[in-house]
Order: sequence, then C-alpha cells, then structure tokens
Amino acid sequence: AQRVTQPEKLLSVFKGAPVELKCNYSYSGSPELFWYVQYSRQRLQLLLRHISRESIKGFTADLNKGETSFHLKKPFAQEEDSAMYYCALGTGGFKTIFGAGTRLFVKA
Amino acid sequence: DTEVTQTPKHLVMGMTNKKSLKCEQHMGHRAMYWYKQKAKKPPELMFVYSYEKLSINESVPSRFSPECPNSSLLNLHLHALQPEDSALYLCASSQRAQGASQETQYFGPGTRLLVL
Repeated sequence: AQRVTQPEKLLSVFKGAPVELKCNYSYSGSPELFWYVQYSRQRLQLLLRHISRESIKGFTADLNKGETSFHLKKPFAQEEDSAMYYCALGTGGFKTIFGAGTRLFVKA
Repeated sequence: DTEVTQTPKHLVMGMTNKKSLKCEQHMGHRAMYWYKQKAKKPPELMFVYSYEKLSINESVPSRFSPECPNSSLLNLHLHALQPEDSALYLCASSQRAQGASQETQYFGPGTRLLVL
C-alpha cells in the first residue's frame, strides 16, 4: 500500500531548539519525497524535495530508504517556522500522496 | 506571472445547483491538478491533467466534472453536490517536463465550498 505517515499532529518547541518532523512512507517503487509547508493565511508551497538535496530556510531532509523515512530537521527553530508541514510521496504518473501533516509551533 | 489563481474564493451552493470552479496559471505548466481538502486533513488528489488530457481520476464521483479547455485553464464543474462535498478545493500546476514523473507543484489559494 502507498502511504505517508506523520506521527505527530502537533510539535511544540522553544525558539533556538532543534526540531525534527518525522515522516515515514510505504511504497514499493522508487519514491520521490517532498516537504510542503503552509504558513498562516498563505497557500501551500514546496519547502524542499529529496532529489534536489538543498537546504531551504535552514531545513534539511535526507531520504533513508532502509528506514523508509524522510524526516525534516532544523538545528535552531525560529518563530517564523511555525506552520503546517506536510510530507508528500510521489508515486509516479504525477500522483502525490500527502501525509496527515504536523503543525509546528515555535514558542518565544 | 508566477502564481496559480483560483476563482471564486468562496462559494455557497444548494444541492440542486450547477456551479464551476476556475483555475488559471500562466507559467507555461502543462500539468494541472485538482485536490480536495477537508478541515484539518491533508489534500486529497482528485484529478490530474497532462497536456490538456485527463491522466488521473481518483475514482471521483461524476457530480464532479473536470475540464481543461487550454494549457492555462482548468475548470471543475459541480452538479448535484452533497453537503459532505463541502471542503477547500485546491488547484495546482507543475511543469510536466519531458521524462519527469514527479515535479514540484505550485498551489492556488483554493476555493472554499459550502454545500447546503
């Protein structure tokens, strides 16, 4: 079955603390993984994708095929990182499956 | 223009009405998508158009009828909807590059639909 699991609905951290948003996937083929973010009152937008191996706004994510994970990490959280984060799995043919999302709240 | 636009922003309709949602992009993208998002849930894929042809229909009820009249426009025609169809409807587009199977999607702000 094709599935994306984000185990935390809500993650609350203090400003300056490290943050890790977990994402696990289930897919028998070659996956393409994305992190999308939705800030308050803004549209859903791409944060990063595994194929580009970039660091965006200090966030990184590494695809671990052995653990079928694509966790999102940032060493020092900022208040402006507070948002809804969705992990998404591309299964080919332009079909995308979104995880349930994790709301990150960064406290001052 | 680097945005996906959607109209209307809000729509209230009765179960016997016929209405249409409109999505437009001028980024030269050749793949366009419709998603449905219920409150506190992730977006769920409904349809994908590739080069103006329907390529994915995720078993969506026929009361939802998509249309892609040209490479910049995507419509979703609504007829005889049910109250449970109330949701945020998101449109997205992507480049549809040769040989690609997955791409970054650019989302519109959505149309919030309420079916009474």
